[in-house]
Amino acid sequence: EVQLVESGGGLIHPGESLRLSCEASGFTFGNYWVDWVRQAPGKGLVWVSRISPDGSITNYANSVKGRFTISRDNARSALYLQMHSLRFEDTAVYFCVRDVDRYLDYWGQGTLVTVSS
Amino acid sequence: DIVMTQSPDSLAVSLGERATINCKSSQSVLRTSDNKNFLTWFQQKPGQPPQLLIYWASTRQSGVPDRFSGSGSGTDFTLTISSLQAEDVAVYYCQQYYDLPLTFGGGTKVEVK
Repeated sequence: EVQLVESGGGLIHPGESLRLSCEASGFTFGNYWVDWVRQAPGKGLVWVSRISPDGSITNYANSVKGRFTISRDNARSALYLQMHSLRFEDTAVYFCVRDVDRYLDYWGQGTLVTVSS
Repeated sequence: DIVMTQSPDSLAVSLGERATINCKSSQSVLRTSDNKNFLTWFQQKPGQPPQLLIYWASTRQSGVPDRFSGSGSGTDFTLTISSLQAEDVAVYYCQQYYDLPLTFGGGTKVEVK
C-alpha cells in the first residue's frame, strides 16, 4: 500500500525557518518524481515544488522560489522541504504527493504550517 | 501560467441524480502527438487529502466507482457523477499537468439537495 507521511509542521513566526519531511513506503521511492502541494485553511490547492527521481531536477512555484528548497534521500525514502523567510501567506497544510508523468496520484495526510506573530 | 476555471462554485443535487462539473483551461492542455489531455480530477472530503479520480481527462483511477466519468478535450472538460451517492459529498478540483506550474481549478462543492 502506497503511504506518504508528512511531519515537521507547527507554529512559527514570520521570517523564521522550518523543515518539513515526508516518509514514503509501499513503492520504490527512487523511481518517482515527488511534489509538495499546499492548501491554506478553507482555500484551494496550490502546487509548490517537485523533484526528479534522482534529485537532479527541481521546480518551484514563483511564490516560493528562492525561499524554499526541495530535496530527497532515496536511501531513506524521504522527501524534504526546507522553508526560509516564512510569511503569513505560507500558512497552509502541506501535502507530499507522488507524481506519475506529472499527474498526482497518491497524497499524504498533510502537515499544518502556521505562520503567526 | 495556465489558469483553470471551474463552474459552478457549488452544486446541490438530489440523491440518484446526475451532477456535472465544468473546467476550462486558459490554453489547450492537449498534446497532439498522442492525443492526450493533461487533465486530472480530484475529490476532497473534509479533513482529508485529495483523492485522484480521473487522469488523462477520462481515465478512471483504479478503485474509483464507474459513476464518475471525465470527458472533454483541449480547453473544456467535464466531470460527471451519473447517480449521486451520499458519500460523494465533497469538493472537486480539476488540475492541469501540461505545463509548470501545475495549476488547479478553484473547486466545486457538491452537496445533497
